[in-house]
Amino acid sequence: EVQLVETGGGLIRPGGSLRLSCAASGFTVSSNYMAWVRQAPGKGLEWVSVIYSGGGSYDAGSVKGRFSISRDISKNTVYLQMNSLRAEDTARYYCARALGQLLFDSWGQGILVTVSS
Amino acid sequence: SYVLTQPPSLSVAPGRTASITCGGNKIGSENVHWYQQKPGQAPVLVVYYNNDRPSGIPERFSGSNSGNTATLTISRVEVGDEADYFCQVWDSRGAHVVFGGGTKLTVL
Repeated sequence: EVQLVETGGGLIRPGGSLRLSCAASGFTVSSNYMAWVRQAPGKGLEWVSVIYSGGGSYDAGSVKGRFSISRDISKNTVYLQMNSLRAEDTARYYCARALGQLLFDSWGQGILVTVSS
Repeated sequence: SYVLTQPPSLSVAPGRTASITCGGNKIGSENVHWYQQKPGQAPVLVVYYNNDRPSGIPERFSGSNSGNTATLTISRVEVGDEADYFCQVWDSRGAHVVFGGGTKLTVL
């Protein structure tokens, strides 16, 4: 059974850093595309970052230069390093497995990140 | 960047058909995916590649895509279908994922 579990969220001050983790089971992250998608309170879905099976990655313009996606194959885990956090980064962050054409077939339950002073 | 436009809300009576639209420039030449999100839950893929269904998704869910509009159709709507629905494409030109703003389906 495919399972994704996000950890590492919480309350952080503007300008701070946070690293989210996504532990995968039931499949190997190295053989799949993995992504982060966020949802601000009461708002829609916003794609954040994707890492391809080959290791390359793309980021949304709103986080480019501040967020970085990576993976640890030995731990079957994907990470999202978030730096220079802003109030508008406040959201629930979902880890998702992405298939061809970047469709998301499996999602974690999400982790809440709140950026506030 | 590519923009997907959805109506914010749609109301339908139980047993009737709900058609949720997703507008985009020449979206008919793109592959569109649809997600259902119930309150407090993660999104669930309900239609992919315009009109394919993942295993476990009822046949009542179907999709179409032509011209500037993609449509998610839910036949014989049930109270349990009440949720937010999001369309999504991969914009290969901009190398990024685009979601529609979402449509809140209310089953009266």
